[in-house]
Amino acid sequence: DVKVTQSSRYLVKRTGEKVFLECVQDMDHENMFWYRQDPGLGLRLIYFSYDVKMKEKGDIPEGYSVSREKKERFSLILESASTNQTSMYLCASSVGQVDQPQHFGDGTRLSIL
Amino acid sequence: SQQGEEDPQALSIQEGENATMNCSYKTSINNLQWYRQNSGRGLVHLILIRSNEREKHSGRLRVTLDTSKKSSSLLITASRAADTASYFCATDVTGNQFYFGTGTSLTVIP
Repeated sequence: DVKVTQSSRYLVKRTGEKVFLECVQDMDHENMFWYRQDPGLGLRLIYFSYDVKMKEKGDIPEGYSVSREKKERFSLILESASTNQTSMYLCASSVGQVDQPQHFGDGTRLSIL
Repeated sequence: SQQGEEDPQALSIQEGENATMNCSYKTSINNLQWYRQNSGRGLVHLILIRSNEREKHSGRLRVTLDTSKKSSSLLITASRAADTASYFCATDVTGNQFYFGTGTSLTVIP
């Protein structure tokens, strides 16, 4: 079974801090994704990557950056955390072919105080 | 936005009944997928239906796709309390990027 592991289930940070969210997948998937999930808004794509050192902006990239130095690891960075970035963050991975499902981690619930 | 929209937003049924939820989307798609999310957990893939398919089954799940109406439905037959979760449709437009709906919250009462 594919396993996508997010480093923290719960995280509390302060406004202005630089925050790192880590995601690791163990199935050699080419594609990796970061979403945020908010009540009434569903999942919104922040960034995705289809290869090492490659990244593409999703629908809401402002205030975020990403890093993919190794195939199995995809990091989401909040450059200067703000209270409106309090959310559930979900990482996913998929094989780099069409018609393939995404495999999700259990999420990180991030609170910015 | 290309985001899918699920309907209803919330659904409450008795154990053993069937549950039907619908998804509408705006643009042409490569495929449409349904996912389940238990409270506090990540999403789990349930079923994928390609744009040239009309119906697909997997166990107690039945998915239909009507590309002319840009809509899909997910039917869960003989529901169980363990089916209580949120259900999301996701449309694959580009081959890499999915657009998720806002979800249907299903409660199955024992």
